Amino acid sequence: GDSVTQMEGPVTLSEEAFLTINCTYTATGYPSLFWYVQYPGEGLQLLLKATKADDKGSNKGFEATYRKETTSFHLEKGSVQVSDSAVYFCALSDSFIGSQGNLIFGKGTKLSVKP
Amino acid sequence: DTEVTQTPKHLVMGMTNKKSLKCEQHMGHRAMYWYKQKAKKPPELMFVYSYEKLSINESVPSRFSPECPNSSLLNLHLHALQPEDSALYLCASSLRTSGGSRGGTDTQYFGPGTRLTVL
Repeated sequence: GDSVTQMEGPVTLSEEAFLTINCTYTATGYPSLFWYVQYPGEGLQLLLKATKADDKGSNKGFEATYRKETTSFHLEKGSVQVSDSAVYFCALSDSFIGSQGNLIFGKGTKLSVKP
Repeated sequence: DTEVTQTPKHLVMGMTNKKSLKCEQHMGHRAMYWYKQKAKKPPELMFVYSYEKLSINESVPSRFSPECPNSSLLNLHLHALQPEDSALYLCASSLRTSGGSRGGTDTQYFGPGTRLTVL
């Protein structure tokens, strides 16, 4: 079945450091890929998405590129801020005809950014 | 506007109580979802409604009863819950559950959640 594997956390960085959170997937059809962010005590917010191979999603300085050849969707940011401290979830939604489009989540990666 | 609202924000209930969670969206979405999230875990899908009809029930105990009275509203009725049901309950919506005959997917947008504590 479909699955998402994220790097284990927690990840602790200093402010202005470079961030990479690895995400790889397995899927039956042609999935759409998502990064959601969850700040402490809140719900999930869509951070970015990509719907086909080689698409790059970007938002708030975060980027991720849909790599079909490596089945990956790694999240990157060039300079993190304290306000980026949160849990990040990689997710896929498979898109074969007749699918329900359910989200499959990775386990989440907690990021802590120190001043 | 991609806002999904949920009420209440926090709820404490005893095991014999009956309570309801409410979710609302005005984006014209026809698919709505309930998820349960335990601490330090990803959300787990509970129910999916498509065009106001229940399309997925992920073997959820009957003490959880969903209801979709119209295309903008989704309720979750709670009765005789157990302490292990304490969690963050998240609602989400999307344009549709799937792309229909062409396949494809639609982005799910989440609400802020209801933090439920069962005593």
